[in-house]
Amino acid sequence: GAVVSQHPSRVICKSGTSVKIECRSLDFQATTMFWYRQFPKQSLMLMATSNEGSKATYEQGVEKDKFLINHASLTLSTLTVTSAHPEDSSFYICSARAGGSSSYEQYFGPGTRLTVT
Amino acid sequence: AQSVTQLDSQVPVFEEAPVELRCNYSSSVSVYLFWYVQYPNQGLQLLLKYLSGSTLVESINGFEAEFNKSQTSFHLRKPSVHISDTAEYFCAVTSYSSASKIIFGSGTRLSIRP
Repeated sequence: GAVVSQHPSRVICKSGTSVKIECRSLDFQATTMFWYRQFPKQSLMLMATSNEGSKATYEQGVEKDKFLINHASLTLSTLTVTSAHPEDSSFYICSARAGGSSSYEQYFGPGTRLTVT
Repeated sequence: AQSVTQLDSQVPVFEEAPVELRCNYSSSVSVYLFWYVQYPNQGLQLLLKYLSGSTLVESINGFEAEFNKSQTSFHLRKPSVHISDTAEYFCAVTSYSSASKIIFGSGTRLSIRP
């Protein structure tokens, strides 16, 4: 149980275009989803926290107008990288949490590798 | 606020040798501690976790970690490693009061030599 999927697994786009990444909880309802970014050989950095039906909370330094997050249902959250540039190339990982705020465990997706040319 | 320190960025060991990956944390409140493993080009998988109770926790593939409150450590150990254990290992911390934000350490790359 507790499987999280991401689509696509890899995407290459041209500079200036927008890319949408989907994160789905397959066998549970995720009240909260998290989006992380990981640069090569580095740790995961939390970008934002999204709760179903409300606006995402972004971490300091993350541009909310550039990284649009939508959590429209209890099983789907999307991250859209708008007007992507080469410096946005990275590995993006989502995670999902079931239950209320007292639930500690997050289940991670397999990640999406974005390359902007 | 919490923080996690993994002092070793890389740990090379020979196959069947024991290994210890070090993790220290800092927090002003009670914490939950985790070890995650990441294989190349994949997402994170939970290896083991400490929530409460016994300070020694084990995974199904032979890893164990011990929560040491006085030393604020949660080191990961395995008595005999296998080639398939080659991966990046992340120590992580969260707390009840942090709304489940998980703070990750910088990671330790475990490379196994035959």
